[in-house]
Amino acid sequence: GQNIDQPTEMTATEGAIVQINCTYQTSGFNGLFWYQQHAGEAPTFLSYNVLDGLEEKGRFSSFLSRSKGYSYLLLKELQMKDSASYLCAVRDSSTDKLIFGTGTRLQVFP
Amino acid sequence: GEEVAQTPKHLVRGEGQKAKLYCAPIKGHSYVFWYQQVLKNEFKFLISFQNENVFDETGMPKERFSAKCLPNSPCSLEIQATKLEDSAVYFCASSQSIGRGYGYTFGSGTRLTVV
Repeated sequence: GQNIDQPTEMTATEGAIVQINCTYQTSGFNGLFWYQQHAGEAPTFLSYNVLDGLEEKGRFSSFLSRSKGYSYLLLKELQMKDSASYLCAVRDSSTDKLIFGTGTRLQVFP
Repeated sequence: GEEVAQTPKHLVRGEGQKAKLYCAPIKGHSYVFWYQQVLKNEFKFLISFQNENVFDETGMPKERFSAKCLPNSPCSLEIQATKLEDSAVYFCASSQSIGRGYGYTFGSGTRLTVV
């Protein structure tokens, strides 16, 4: 079967660090994507992992462990504008589809 | 263009009416995907195209939903006889290719409200 799990909601304080976890079970695996979605807007691409390890991109980093079916998105030096939903999505190699988790709604407080 | 253009942004239909949504993918992108996003962020895959050809339609409720991607025209998603449960944001995305390394670029969505 196909299943992607993320926490539903998280809160954090401006300037802090937050880690959003994602676990997945898919028939095949061809990469994991993280998207950011502000309310009422389109998802925008944040990061992509296909090999194990950490990918760093400015304040955002993403980690993947294929053997554990696990990824996380790390956001550093949080800003108010980081308040958004963060979507974990896996490209299933058996279907070529992006399968989305339900997203994690992050609220950043001053 | 460099963005996926979806029209209209908002659409209101009475139950039983037809709704038609449009999507112009990024030039050079061969794949188009339609997703339905209902409450709580759940993205449901509907259908994908490789150029004009249906690539995967396993998510389509075939009784009332249909979609096309014709040459030199925006792709379209049509819902005949809309129901209240069709109220959602419909996102179109395009991709240069599929497989390892290729993600999607999303349009800004069409919010369909069925009343």
